[in-house]
Amino acid sequence: GAGVSQSPSNKVTEKGKDVELRCDPISGHTALYWYRQSLGQGLEFLIYFQGNSAPDKSGLPSDRFSAERTGGSVSTLTIQRTQQEDSAVYLCASSLVELAYEQYFGPGTRLTVT
Amino acid sequence: QKEVEQNSGPLSVPEGAIASLNCTYSDRVSQSFFWYRQYSGKSPELIMSIYSNGDKEDGRFTAQLNKASQYVSLLIRDSQPSDSATYLCALLGGADGLTFGKGTHLIIQP
Repeated sequence: GAGVSQSPSNKVTEKGKDVELRCDPISGHTALYWYRQSLGQGLEFLIYFQGNSAPDKSGLPSDRFSAERTGGSVSTLTIQRTQQEDSAVYLCASSLVELAYEQYFGPGTRLTVT
Repeated sequence: QKEVEQNSGPLSVPEGAIASLNCTYSDRVSQSFFWYRQYSGKSPELIMSIYSNGDKEDGRFTAQLNKASQYVSLLIRDSQPSDSATYLCALLGGADGLTFGKGTHLIIQP
């Protein structure tokens, strides 16, 4: 079946602009995660949605980052007033709640802030 | 603060040999451990999960977990050039996302 999809695949934006990144999880997966991977760095957890519960925002790096998940499916990660240090690949993953451990990643969105 | 340590490599292994990738972690409450493979420019791909002490085999891959020593490893038998990638160790210790190591770059020499 279809895997996790993300859009756009690439985004170039000017410093100070807002961006929205979209994630569509695997059908039937109720848990959704956002990570980012900076050049030469490991994957950094950002936020986690499980079903209709309030998200765990503990990993968001600043209040410029927010995320929502509508209807328990598609999620949008929004970065306001982007900074150059926000440049990274933003990865979304999903999992079955019952198998919350096994996460499957989408192809990512490469964000470049100029 | 959960930490996951991996040797960044590169680890160079001749084709057909066994590649051994190692990972240590700091959080004693972690219960679930994973190995992901990441090709350059691609997203991580789950290849193995292990939850209890001992060995778990899947094809050419064997994951080994020792919770007392806080150590998890991945063995790749009969290494192929297509196994050349960065291998990420990850753990899940609570109701949040995975904590990843920075990965080991593996090169299989033809």
